[in-house]
Amino acid sequence: KAGVTQTPRYLIKTRGQQVTLSCSPISGHRSVSWYQQTPGQGLQFLFEYFSETQRNKGNFPGRFSGRQFSNSRSEMNVSTLELGDSALYLCASSLDPFSGRAPYEQYFGPGTRLTVT
Amino acid sequence: QKEVEQNSGPLSVPEGAIASLNCTYSDRGSQSFFWYRQYSGKSPELIMFIYSNGDKEDGRFTAQLNKASQYVSLLIRDSQPSDSATYLCAFRTNAGKSTFGDGTTLTVKP
Repeated sequence: KAGVTQTPRYLIKTRGQQVTLSCSPISGHRSVSWYQQTPGQGLQFLFEYFSETQRNKGNFPGRFSGRQFSNSRSEMNVSTLELGDSALYLCASSLDPFSGRAPYEQYFGPGTRLTVT
Repeated sequence: QKEVEQNSGPLSVPEGAIASLNCTYSDRGSQSFFWYRQYSGKSPELIMFIYSNGDKEDGRFTAQLNKASQYVSLLIRDSQPSDSATYLCAFRTNAGKSTFGDGTTLTVKP
């Protein structure tokens, strides 16, 4: 079974621009979560989508948004980019984290390395 | 208090030794616990998950969970240089919130 895929793998943008990142989950997985990873802040949770609905959201400004499509693929958008948005953006998929049956393990994609200049 | 605390690193062990990684958490609503391994420049890779008190073994890895003490650990037996990586512990609450620790960097010296 193919793993989680993310595109693009690398991206360079300038301040003020916007960016859209894409994530395709493992086949059959219905939940997609997005994380930002930086050396100083570690792995920070952005949001989680399940069945096209945002189920959980982290403490990020409104410039960060996302959506999920009916085929479970997800996109994340960052508007008005700032230098501090430079990071590795990871998406993770899980089968059905709201089924009531633990353990709800997540599998990560390779990430998108975003550099803002 | 941070939601997840991992033992400060870096941790260095000789090849063949047991590496012990520890993690404490503050949210008693935590339901599932995970250990991820992350090589430099790569994404996290799930290596163990546990959701019941006690031990869970998978090859050279053993995860231990004590919900009363809010403590989860990972033991790596017969450590190999290829085990050198950053290990992240994570938990997921009943509400579906996932939280990761900052990670412990392990170096296994030949």
